Amino acid sequence: NAGVTQTPKFRVLKTGQSMTLLCAQDMNHEYMYWYRQDPGMGLRLIHYSVGEGTTAKGEVPDGYNVSRLKKQNFLLGLESAAPSQTSVYFCASSQLQGRAFFGQGTRLTVV
Amino acid sequence: GNSVTQMEGPVTLSEEAFLTINCTYTATGYPSLFWYVQYPGEGLQLLLKATKADDKGSNKGFEATYRKETTSFHLEKGSVQVSDSAVYFCALSLPGNYGQNFVFGPGTRLSVLP
Repeated sequence: NAGVTQTPKFRVLKTGQSMTLLCAQDMNHEYMYWYRQDPGMGLRLIHYSVGEGTTAKGEVPDGYNVSRLKKQNFLLGLESAAPSQTSVYFCASSQLQGRAFFGQGTRLTVV
Repeated sequence: GNSVTQMEGPVTLSEEAFLTINCTYTATGYPSLFWYVQYPGEGLQLLLKATKADDKGSNKGFEATYRKETTSFHLEKGSVQVSDSAVYFCALSLPGNYGQNFVFGPGTRLSVLP
């Protein structure tokens, strides 16, 4: 009964380094999302996917890339990390108009 | 566009007080409405939902009624506990939309004092 699993849970990067956050869901959901959460800003959508092989930009896509090569996985990449990308990142999945299931979050610090 | 507006927080209450967190929405079509809760250090969890007008979602003593005429989905609880301290997010999900499916409000932080 895993639901949505994010890895890693914590990471510290130096400015300019790259990394990939992995999101995996075992509910056969079509929709997957990456959000960032910053103090006082609520949830902001970075990128989302409506199915395997598809991705689309959300509200704050700059500096991030995503891939959905398999239906169950949604990867978020940072090619050259910046301090402004210090945040908590949440992945979520859902079916159309169904409830969204969230991962536990990844706390990323860029120094 | 589609949006969700919530009352500004933080909200601080004493234990056993009555809670209302206001939520209003703007949406094309006929959305489903949700309240999510985020406890410290955790992801968001579904608290309750409603899929059509006049539906009442309820869970753990919390209630919210889908009011189409006022485009609102206010969260209420008759007697809060310290364990209810969390951030509450109102959200909508759009019908037949092959783009972004969910729109979240900014969240309202609730602190309940013993």
